[in-house]
Amino acid sequence: GAVVSQHPSRVICKSGTSVKIECRSLDFQATTMFWYRQFPKQSLMLMATSNEGSKATYEQGVEKDKFLINHASLTLSTLTVTSAHPEDSSFYICSASTGLVQPQHFGDGTRLSIL
Amino acid sequence: GQQLNQSPQSMFIQEGEDVSMNCTSSSIFNTWLWYKQEPGEGPVLLIALYKAGELTSNGRLTAQFGITRKDSFLNISASIPSDVGIYFCAGRGSETSGSRLTFGEGTQLTVNP
Repeated sequence: GAVVSQHPSRVICKSGTSVKIECRSLDFQATTMFWYRQFPKQSLMLMATSNEGSKATYEQGVEKDKFLINHASLTLSTLTVTSAHPEDSSFYICSASTGLVQPQHFGDGTRLSIL
Repeated sequence: GQQLNQSPQSMFIQEGEDVSMNCTSSSIFNTWLWYKQEPGEGPVLLIALYKAGELTSNGRLTAQFGITRKDSFLNISASIPSDVGIYFCAGRGSETSGSRLTFGEGTQLTVNP
């Protein structure tokens, strides 16, 4: 149980392109989903928290107009990196939780490479 | 903000050896979680701890929630090559911080066969 699917697993695209990443909870309803960014050999950095049906809460320093988050249902959240540039290249990981005190379960991540 | 100090940063051990890693915090946490991450994948939950003093096992893994609520450790007994990966601790504070997790910097484990 508690399977989180993230798609795509890898994206390579040109600078200026917008990229959408999907995060789905396959066997449970996720009231809260989280988006992280991870640089090589570093820990996970929380970008934003999204609750179904409401606006995402972004961490300090994360541009909400750059990283658009939509959490339209209890099983799907999307992260759109708008007008991506090489410095946006990174490993993006989502997680999902059924409630405030429940563990977060992670997707397998998306490797984004902007040329 | 809340910070976690995780140690050691890396470990190189022989197959069959026991492993111990820990996390400490300057503030109190209500939940401690331990994850393992392999290259190119997302973290996988190993053990969740919810009460101070709690000791929980998952196969060869054992983790404890420190009594002070400011620390936790993870032990791996009789290591095997597939234990290789990065182990992260994560803590959750009071309910006012929501369900956000604070992550440690990770412990890179290498097991030599």
